[in-house]
Amino acid sequence: DVQMTQSPSSVSASVGDRVTITCRASQGISSWLTWYQQKPGKAPKLLIYAASSLQSGVPSRFSGSASGTEFTLTISSLQPEDFATYYCQQANSFPLTFGGGTKVEIK
Amino acid sequence: EVQLVESGGGLVQPGGSLRLSCAASGFTLSTYWMSWVRQAPGKGPEWVANIKQDGSEKYYLESVKGRFTISRDNTKNSLYLQMSSLRAEDTAVYYCARYGNPGGWFDPWGQGTLVTVSS
Repeated sequence: DVQMTQSPSSVSASVGDRVTITCRASQGISSWLTWYQQKPGKAPKLLIYAASSLQSGVPSRFSGSASGTEFTLTISSLQPEDFATYYCQQANSFPLTFGGGTKVEIK
Repeated sequence: EVQLVESGGGLVQPGGSLRLSCAASGFTLSTYWMSWVRQAPGKGPEWVANIKQDGSEKYYLESVKGRFTISRDNTKNSLYLQMSSLRAEDTAVYYCARYGNPGGWFDPWGQGTLVTVSS
C-alpha cells in the first residue's frame, strides 16, 4: 500500500499568512495526487487534482506542486474561510489512501 | 446541480448487516466510476470501495473484502453498499462520491450517513 505522510499535523496562522502543507508518498505515484478541504460536520471538498490543477470555483490563492514523491499545497494569503482541515489522497494504485490531515487553526 | 444523497445508516449490533444507498442526480450515473469513502469519528477519510460504470470491475479495502459489496443500478441512478459481519471498527460516516477516472479524485461527495456498530 502507498503510505501518504502529511506534515505538519496542525499549523496556527493568521489571516494573510502564507501556509504550506506537505504530503510525501512512500513510493512513486506520478501526479495522481488530490487535495481536499474539510470543515467540521461537512464532507471533504476537492481543491486540487492531478497535483497542480485547480478545481473549478476554487480561489486562485490555492495552488499545488510536486517534486518526485513530495507534494505541496500552498495557500498564498490565508482567508477566514480557509480555517479547516486539509487532506491529500493518492490514486496511483489501490487501495486509494489519504494523508493524516493538517488542521489549519487561527493564531 | 450534481447531488449525491446517502441513506440507510443507523445503529447495528456487531455481526449485523446494513445496506446503504446513494441517490444520484444532476448527472448521468452510468458514465462514472463511483466510490464509497468512510470517516471514523475524529479520523481522516478512508477509501472503502470503487465500482466501474457497468459494474464489471470492483475494488475493495482489504479489511472489508468478503464483508462489504458495492453495487449500482444505473436505471435507478443509485449506488449501494451492502455491509455484513459488521465490527466496531466499521463505525464511521459513510460517504458516496463520484470518482474521476483517470485522475482518481472524489467529487462531489454526499452529505454522509452515520453507521454505528455497537451492542
